[in-house]
Amino acid sequence: RKEVEQDPGPFNVPEGATVAFNCTYSNSASQSFFWYRQDCRKEPKLLMSVYSSGNEDGRFTAQLNRASQYISLLIRDSKLSDSATYLCVVRDNDYKLSFGAGTTVTVRA
Amino acid sequence: GAVVSQHPSRVICKSGTSVKIECRSLDFQATTMFWYRQFPKQSLMLMATSNEGSKATYEQGVEKDKFLINHASLTLSTLTVTSAHPEDSSFYICSATPSGASYNEQFFGPGTRLTVL
Repeated sequence: RKEVEQDPGPFNVPEGATVAFNCTYSNSASQSFFWYRQDCRKEPKLLMSVYSSGNEDGRFTAQLNRASQYISLLIRDSKLSDSATYLCVVRDNDYKLSFGAGTTVTVRA
Repeated sequence: GAVVSQHPSRVICKSGTSVKIECRSLDFQATTMFWYRQFPKQSLMLMATSNEGSKATYEQGVEKDKFLINHASLTLSTLTVTSAHPEDSSFYICSATPSGASYNEQFFGPGTRLTVL
């Protein structure tokens, strides 16, 4: 079983729409959680950390459910520039990051 | 902000040759750097953890004699793919954590796309 699993998508949405997707992780002892964004053929970039109480950063809202071991990301008022692959990332109780394979979002005009 | 560079950004080589990839932290010192590999439509997979002044720690299934890592200074780690074969073609990405910082802070290099013919 993969450590981090994501729906690969793609999610095709019109500009202005709301899109949400989840990932699940297998290690209940995982310590830290993140969403990264990766554009085609580029390196991943940190979008936001995910906190237990849930957190928001502008149009992006992340939620963590430790009991069910899943993390969600919601994007409101989608922009064309939001088109990317979103990587769910988990850090266990050491220094290693485990990456999901990514969820592809395409925002169309 | 913290910047990590990689060189080269792209390399095409013949089967059997060795390729060296450099990862540099430009504005901070990094005791620890990480090397990842990403195949198309797959997740980043950690290959090894590079520790300045000591041997790298390799993940299960990664051959240390094939992927040589050297972390000779606090700003530079190198990955050498020895006797590269077409199946080694991939996107290699490094990341670095500033010395003394939380491991939550990992800054990624722009990646090196290796194509082995």
